[in-house]
Amino acid sequence: DIQMTQSPSSLSASVGDRVTITCRASQGISNYLAWFQQKPGKAPKSLIYGASSLQSGVPSKFSGSGSETDFTLTISSLQPEDFATYYCQQYSTYPFTFGPGTKVDIK
Amino acid sequence: EVQLVESGGGLVQPGGSLRLSCAASGFTFSSYAMTWVRQAPGKGLEWVSVISGSGGSTNYADSVKGRFTISRDNSKHTLYLQMNSLGADDAAIYYCAKGRSRSGYELGAHWGQGALVTVSS
Repeated sequence: DIQMTQSPSSLSASVGDRVTITCRASQGISNYLAWFQQKPGKAPKSLIYGASSLQSGVPSKFSGSGSETDFTLTISSLQPEDFATYYCQQYSTYPFTFGPGTKVDIK
Repeated sequence: EVQLVESGGGLVQPGGSLRLSCAASGFTFSSYAMTWVRQAPGKGLEWVSVISGSGGSTNYADSVKGRFTISRDNSKHTLYLQMNSLGADDAAIYYCAKGRSRSGYELGAHWGQGALVTVSS
């Protein structure tokens, strides 16, 4: 199975900060990588698919990049509503697997 | 408007069985793959299973293979997850999710609210 890792596991940031989260796959997955945001008690929300394509309705402050094994999610200017946990997921090879998550909280 | 509503969650004894349902509306159900994702209390997301739009193709996480069965009834616009031989590790919120596109199996923007499964004697 393809293992997904994320770094950092958590981070503290201030409103207005630029935040970058890294996701790494244990083997190449081309661009079959998605990012999700989850807030406590809520279902996950899809942000990005295809490593860099923004899901409809997602603000452009979110961006994704990378290919094969190394990927990043960037939030250009952190807002209060962005404090959440972020997960990457590969959908290149079954079983599709999620990363362990990165919790972004308020500094 | 796309809606996904899970039901069938509850308390089950270890070794027991449960069937989850996900009622879909607002889109051409038979055209999209559907996925189950779960989340144990305080833990991360775990992909569980996916089924093609026609129902002819399925895949499972290693942790549930041989115990869980995903299926769908396109005439009823409903997705199912039959869960057998349940153990403590299966306790979680189970989400159903619609595929992003008609041609792929990746998760899309629409998720249900989740169904809680508790495994305890």
